[in-house]
Amino acid sequence: SSELTQDPAVSVALGQTVRITCQGDSLRTYYASWYQQKPGQAPVLVIYGKNNRPSGIPDRFSGSSSGNTASLTITGAQAEDEADYYCNSRDSSGNHVLFGGGTKLTVL
Amino acid sequence: QLQLQESGPGLVKPSETLSLTCTVSGGSISSSSFYWGWIRQPPGKGLEWIGSIYYSGSTYYNPSLKSRVTISVDTSKNQFSLKLSSVTAADTAVYYCTRRKYDTAMVNYWGQGTLVTVSS
Repeated sequence: SSELTQDPAVSVALGQTVRITCQGDSLRTYYASWYQQKPGQAPVLVIYGKNNRPSGIPDRFSGSSSGNTASLTITGAQAEDEADYYCNSRDSSGNHVLFGGGTKLTVL
Repeated sequence: QLQLQESGPGLVKPSETLSLTCTVSGGSISSSSFYWGWIRQPPGKGLEWIGSIYYSGSTYYNPSLKSRVTISVDTSKNQFSLKLSSVTAADTAVYYCTRRKYDTAMVNYWGQGTLVTVSS
């Protein structure tokens, strides 16, 4: 398959937990990476591999995967987490890169 | 600290070729651990992978753009470049140059992005 599917929009109350999902056949083989993008800025890597955070990313961000679905969980969402979130992975051939359509997270 | 900086025209006419260069500083483009590439984002839309190049010159392109894309590398200048031919208004986007970890899809460095508008 050559697609990664994300919900267009998700909302969460301040301080609560939210899960953002990404579905695709290639996720059965390859890990997803997750990116946060705020308006007017370049994306920032927040999760990669099995569940790894780059330096500087708060530990409220975590990742998981099951079957063809990868998930990004924010435990105790903060106002500054309001952003667009994108998943990506390799395609089933391993030679190309896929991006999900993005999820707009609103923190209420 | 690694930095990537895009440069090139911000306005391109329809049917012409879009050309951008990415200058890498703070690290060598000749590392065997990374791919260098381009990702774009049309205004108000999502991210689209354009393609990647390894320092050896091996290239990988988005199948939907493959017929129009060329990515090249100049290790002597620590730069890599994008050419996209026969552009239309649909190619209007912010273009990011990126570094991706070898053998993964993980992009851990992004340029600030440059808006390229296709218009006559």
